[in-house]
Formats: sequence, structure tokens, C-alpha cells
Amino acid sequence: QKEVEQDPGPLSVPEGAIVSLNCTYSNSAFQYFMWYRQYSRKGPELLMYTYSSGNKEDGRFTAQVDKSSKYISLFIRDSQPSDSATYLCAMIRSNDYKLSFGAGTTVTVRA
Amino acid sequence: DSGVTQTPKHLITATGQRVTLRCSPRSGDLSVYWYQQSLDQGLQFLIQYYNGEERAKGNILERFSAQQFPDLHSELNLSSLELGDSALYFCASSGKKGGGPPKETQYFGPGTRLLVL
Repeated sequence: QKEVEQDPGPLSVPEGAIVSLNCTYSNSAFQYFMWYRQYSRKGPELLMYTYSSGNKEDGRFTAQVDKSSKYISLFIRDSQPSDSATYLCAMIRSNDYKLSFGAGTTVTVRA
Repeated sequence: DSGVTQTPKHLITATGQRVTLRCSPRSGDLSVYWYQQSLDQGLQFLIQYYNGEERAKGNILERFSAQQFPDLHSELNLSSLELGDSALYFCASSGKKGGGPPKETQYFGPGTRLLVL
């Protein structure tokens, strides 16, 4: 079993819809949580990061962490065609600071 | 712009050949990571260097090797290339703490696209 599991997708949504992306993890040592966005054939870029349970908003993006359920989510409101990309969750363990990536979910926002 | 640079952007070569991919980390970062991403596949971690020394190893083939130099740039050497080695190769760096994300957060370069014919 992988330490970080990410919903495989792909997801296709109409413009303006809410996109919901999810990851689960098995190791309670994960304490830092991030989301990366990767456009086709480009390097992943850091989108959001958070340390604690709860919600963190940045514009149209909301990162949610539930440490008790070992579950994180990324929501994209009012999705745009420019949001079409692969989204990867990532987590850092507090004991050895190793960063682990999810496999990524490809999102297509249809105009 | 992440601050991580990779050269070359594209590389086309033949089976059996050897190539070298180069990465310069963000200023102040001590760790460099190499990843392979084949078409429509996830990131496969290859190897990590920290301040010149190998720190962690992933699914790196014996035909592949890497090193990090005193100026902290890194090179990934791929030899006896096979068709299946065609992929995007990403370098990432981490280590500089300046507020915000944890210092272990990785910042990726634009990648080198390798095509083996």
C-alpha cells in the first residue's frame, strides 16, 4: 500500500464548476501538506501549502486537511479552462522530513 | 519561475548512447532531487543529493548515475540508453528556509525532454 493515495481521475468538468480533488494517507507522521499543479509537459509548481487541520483559502483555491481522518482535499471554485492541469498532493513527514507525492489527478475544464 | 534551471531543454539521441542532464538549484538550496516522468505517468523519484552527498535513492537504474558538485549544481548521467528511457526528467531543489512553506518543500525546474530513437 502506498503511503499517499490520490484519486486517479481524470476529471472533466464544465467551466464554472467546482473541482474537488482528494488524497488520503496512512502515516500519521505526515504533518505538512501541499498541492502542486503541473501543466502538460511542464515542471510541477507549488500551488498551496498548509500545516494544520482545517481550511486555507487562496483566491479560488481552498486546501482542506482532516488529520483525524488522514484526508486532504483541494477545491477549485469557478473553474476556468486555464485550470486544466494535473494536480499532485504532497506531504512531508515530521520525523525524517521525507516528501511523498500522490500520483496526480488530471483535470480538464471544458469551455 | 521556480529558480531551478535545467539544461538542455530537449535531447534526442540513439539507443546505446550516453547523455548528461544538468541542473542548477535555487540559490541557497542544498538538496537536489531527480525525477523521471514517462508519458502520462506520475513522478518517479530517482535520487537525492544533499550538499554533495547522496541522501536517498529511489527507483534509479544501474545505468543511471548522478552527482552534485561543490557549487551545488547536479548532473544526471544516463548510459546505454534504451527506448524506454524516453521521458521528461525533472530536477527539484529544497533547503532554503525563508518563511512560508517548510524548507523541505521541493521546487521544480522546467525539465529536460529526452527522446531515445
